[in-house]
Amino acid sequence: GAGVSQSPSNKVTEKGKDVELRCDPISGHTALYWYRQSLGQGLEFLIYFQGNSAPDKSGLPSDRFSAERTGGSVSTLTIQRTQQEDSAVYLCASSTSGGDTEAFFGQGTRLTVV
Amino acid sequence: GDSVTQMEGPVTLSEEAFLTINCTYTATGYPSLFWYVQYPGEGLQLLLKATKADDKGSNKGFEATYRKETTSFHLEKGSVQVSDSAVYFCALNTDKLIFGTGTRLQVFP
Repeated sequence: GAGVSQSPSNKVTEKGKDVELRCDPISGHTALYWYRQSLGQGLEFLIYFQGNSAPDKSGLPSDRFSAERTGGSVSTLTIQRTQQEDSAVYLCASSTSGGDTEAFFGQGTRLTVV
Repeated sequence: GDSVTQMEGPVTLSEEAFLTINCTYTATGYPSLFWYVQYPGEGLQLLLKATKADDKGSNKGFEATYRKETTSFHLEKGSVQVSDSAVYFCALNTDKLIFGTGTRLQVFP
């Protein structure tokens, strides 16, 4: 596609349920990031995939959070046993390799845990 | 680990005022530095970048200079417009892209 696509755009779930958030990066982009944006908390790094390297999971807040990237393209962020504090906007970004390149962001998934 | 610190907002200015948003960083290597902007209702987008010391990034009248000696990358604009109202994020990339907390700018006519 022309840009980074995330789905769903909005998700309301009950506390304790599992959710899956999807990210379709720009074709050919080897780097993929997940961030969490909470009100007043800025952009919190969650996980980073780069090509075939092992992902950098250093930002995942707990073992309830996991992510995978299949075939070097689509990525899924899974949150198990959701809690109210998980409510936030989850943003995905992709870029070509190299630390000086621009990251392109999706519109995000707004997750609300009730 | 690497981190970015930027001034808290909101920053409230009148149109045509001078803007400075401070950003300092901590990094173990030699990062590339970025400013991203999030306009109301839109996704984040790159505003400008600088990849080595003393480089100046510029775009849409905004400028920022990579200052290694002060580990800073302050964003400036000489005359802001109402349309510049947005949230501005400073970021660095050494081995991954890390953002600051964002600074909301509000410009009034």
